[in-house]
Amino acid sequence: SQQGEEDPQALSIQEGENATMNCSYKTSINNLQWYRQNSGRGLVHLILIRSNEREKHSGRLRVTLDTSKKSSSLLITASRAADTASYFCATDDIFGNEKLTFGTGTRLTIIP
Amino acid sequence: KAGVTQTPRYLIKTRGQQVTLSCSPISGHRSVSWYQQTPGQGLQFLFEYFSETQRNKGNFPGRFSGRQFSNSRSEMNVSTLELGDSALYLCASTLERDSFNTEAFFGQGTRLTVV
Repeated sequence: SQQGEEDPQALSIQEGENATMNCSYKTSINNLQWYRQNSGRGLVHLILIRSNEREKHSGRLRVTLDTSKKSSSLLITASRAADTASYFCATDDIFGNEKLTFGTGTRLTIIP
Repeated sequence: KAGVTQTPRYLIKTRGQQVTLSCSPISGHRSVSWYQQTPGQGLQFLFEYFSETQRNKGNFPGRFSGRQFSNSRSEMNVSTLELGDSALYLCASTLERDSFNTEAFFGQGTRLTVV
């Protein structure tokens, strides 16, 4: 079953604008990871944020984590056409399992 | 460093048949997990192997099974295929857990179509 929801389910923006996606989850976690998927292909790992971190940056990506609200956000700045993809958050659990529970995903479309 | 390799990339099988999918993890990674992705259910965890032992299992019927070899390569098998087994099967490779900060890297997946 899905851990939670991602919001919005779909997002279309103009190239150059910023895109923000949100993820909610239900249980306590150790880490939260964000992935990108292009047209039903494999998942590309974007970033991992630990439960004791509040914000993390990687290039044009900024991830925040609020464990009190059980939510995370992914911000992509200065979007490019190549950013068009589906984005998923994935959480582990506090028991040390490698099992990841995925959100429902946000379909991002960048309009050139 | 080579990424996670899954073979085959595409597969078409008939109902009732069985299928075996293969996954070679990133060199040095000893944990391999399998996921099923469908439009209706999204990404769902199947099972995880570490050092040739299944450590975790998702909520799938016994028709779904797997194994891991001493070189960390893993296979999953689905017997008595059903139409609903049509999906993208993804394999993830993880370095041995250290302080619970482990990134999972995925392969390109195997697209299974059951007809």
